[in-house]
Amino acid sequence: DGGITQSPKYLFRKEGQNVTLSCEQNLNHDAMYWYRQDPGQGLRLIYYSQIVNDFQKGDIAEGYSVSREKKESFPLTVTSAQKNPTAFYLCASRDRAGQPQHFGDGTRLSIL
Amino acid sequence: AQSVTQLGSHVSVSEGALVLLRCNYSSSVPPYLFWYVQYPNQGLQLLLKYTSAATLVKGINGFEAEFKKSETSFHLTKPSAHMSDAAEYFCAVSDSNTGKLIFGQGTTLQVKP
Repeated sequence: DGGITQSPKYLFRKEGQNVTLSCEQNLNHDAMYWYRQDPGQGLRLIYYSQIVNDFQKGDIAEGYSVSREKKESFPLTVTSAQKNPTAFYLCASRDRAGQPQHFGDGTRLSIL
Repeated sequence: AQSVTQLGSHVSVSEGALVLLRCNYSSSVPPYLFWYVQYPNQGLQLLLKYTSAATLVKGINGFEAEFKKSETSFHLTKPSAHMSDAAEYFCAVSDSNTGKLIFGQGTTLQVKP
């Protein structure tokens, strides 16, 4: 079955540490997205990529970085500059304009 | 700029009662609108989408939504609530060029036996 796989499901970060969240899709979608979800705040866009080797900042990109070296992969790094990283992170992909995004099952990041 | 407002962060209904979750949007161009459902500790699952083909859109699990341009609304309804409908629901509008989704704050649906 085609879909989006996020790993790990749970992740813990120590102070000053960078961590990377994995997102892989086998839907052959061109566009991929990263969202952050906090209680009562809905979902906010961190970064997105519409094509390989190209990506754009979303609304809350500070303290995060991404890469898009392959069509199927869009990893998100939460850097030590992100002072409040505790949240639920969701990855999504989309086929073409006007089509809905498909979501992974998320990664929950916490601070040790 | 596009935006979405969901009226009511929590909605409680009895099992078998009508479900009505409200969504109003702001968009300068004909919008692509979506409703998603999220169960605890899971990703978002698409319920239905409006892409200008028909104003009444039927989705999965018995849900439907009606696009009303004059009211800039896209409310989600289900005639009879089931216990398994308890979840968080998100309305979203999509940027036609980038596909970015702008989400409402979400509505938590509680279904009482």
